[in-house]
Amino acid sequence: AQKVTQAQTEISVVEKEDVTLDCVYETRDTTYYLFWYKQPPSGELVFLIRRNSFDEQNEISGRYSWNFQKSTSSFNFTITASQVVDSAVYFCALSGSTGANSKLTFGKGITLSVRP
Amino acid sequence: GAGVSQSPSNKVTEKGKDVELRCDPISGHTALYWYRQSLGQGLEFLIYFQGNSAPDKSGLPSDRFSAERTGGSVSTLTIQRTQQEDSAVYLCASSLAPGRAQLRRNYGYTFGSGTRLTVV
Repeated sequence: AQKVTQAQTEISVVEKEDVTLDCVYETRDTTYYLFWYKQPPSGELVFLIRRNSFDEQNEISGRYSWNFQKSTSSFNFTITASQVVDSAVYFCALSGSTGANSKLTFGKGITLSVRP
Repeated sequence: GAGVSQSPSNKVTEKGKDVELRCDPISGHTALYWYRQSLGQGLEFLIYFQGNSAPDKSGLPSDRFSAERTGGSVSTLTIQRTQQEDSAVYLCASSLAPGRAQLRRNYGYTFGSGTRLTVV
């Protein structure tokens, strides 16, 4: 069975602070995919990133960066110089590699509030 | 269409009534997933379609829930004899077939805006 744990439930920061959202996963698959989605107050889930299990290279996209560590089964997300528009619920998710195993298993989500 | 379309966006129904929720995926996306998001339960998987067949129905919570997909496109999720615990946001996502999706770098499933179901 697959499992995603987002131990932090709510985080509040002041604008321009850096913030890291933690994600730990469990899977027996040797090939799998990790995702982060953002859900702003409007409610729609917005795709941010997918990382393949065989690619441990970290990713940076503007103020966003992701740290994938297979040794600790973690896929953490850092927002640098946070902005009010970053306020949202962030979900980490995991899927397998086969069709029947392609569904996303989500963590409970982290509510991030960025105060001006 | 350009995105995943779900209708209605909001539905209020009386306990015991049947409801149908519709999902129109992105053209060309053969994989389609239904999820439910309720307070305290997070995002729960309901069912996965590849084309018109459903290889994974493991998330359907009871036999009151059923779904179908016709023509490899539009999908309908039906809830019979609705109960108050069915109140939630029902989300649909679509994707290229898993084998093709995996070949693309940084490819994610596209979600619709959801249907907010309230059972009174």
